[in-house]
Amino acid sequence: AQSVTQPDIHITVSEGASLELRCNYSYGATPYLFWYVQSPGQGLQLLLKYFSGDTLVQGIKGFEAEFKRSQSSFNLRKPSVHWSDAAEYFCAVGASTQGGSEKLVFGKGTKLTVNP
Amino acid sequence: EAQVTQNPRYLITVTGKKLTVTCSQNMNHEYMSWYRQDPGLGLRQIYYSMNVEVTDKGDVPEGYKVSRKEKRNFPLILESPSPNQTSLYFCASRPYTWNYGYTFGSGTRLTVV
Repeated sequence: AQSVTQPDIHITVSEGASLELRCNYSYGATPYLFWYVQSPGQGLQLLLKYFSGDTLVQGIKGFEAEFKRSQSSFNLRKPSVHWSDAAEYFCAVGASTQGGSEKLVFGKGTKLTVNP
Repeated sequence: EAQVTQNPRYLITVTGKKLTVTCSQNMNHEYMSWYRQDPGLGLRQIYYSMNVEVTDKGDVPEGYKVSRKEKRNFPLILESPSPNQTSLYFCASRPYTWNYGYTFGSGTRLTVV
């Protein structure tokens, strides 16, 4: 079965510092991978996605992620964090089965706190 | 503006009183899905739909119903709500290909007392 693991429940960084959020997935086929961000009281906004091609993908708000098939990872990075990046971040894999079911399988999320 | 619209944003109801959470998308997407988000459990799929009149259960369908009579609308129905259905609900849609991912609504916070 498909699964997504985000090992870090909570991360605190200082404003201006670099950020890396970890994501590992389990999926039999070539995965469709996504990072979403959820600000307090808000819905989920798509940050970036990977489905093929260049393994380093750029997203909105200065985020990027690198797909590493050998490590089953899709880590999210940002070179310099801003206070407005404080939010919860979710990694997800798009899963469709031959039986016809389909869904986004989410990790449990990583809450990011940014210190001034 | 391309979006998924859910209503209401907040709802407090009593046990057993039927309710409907509406969801509408203006992107002509084929796939639509409902998720609930609970602390410690993350986001779990309730139901999904691949097109008009085609729906199927997700991971936690008990106590919920859905319908897809029109492509743009995918309402979530709780016929007899119970306190364990207190949660944050999200509707989402995507086109036929996974390449664009799901677009999510702003969420509906439901409290059942």
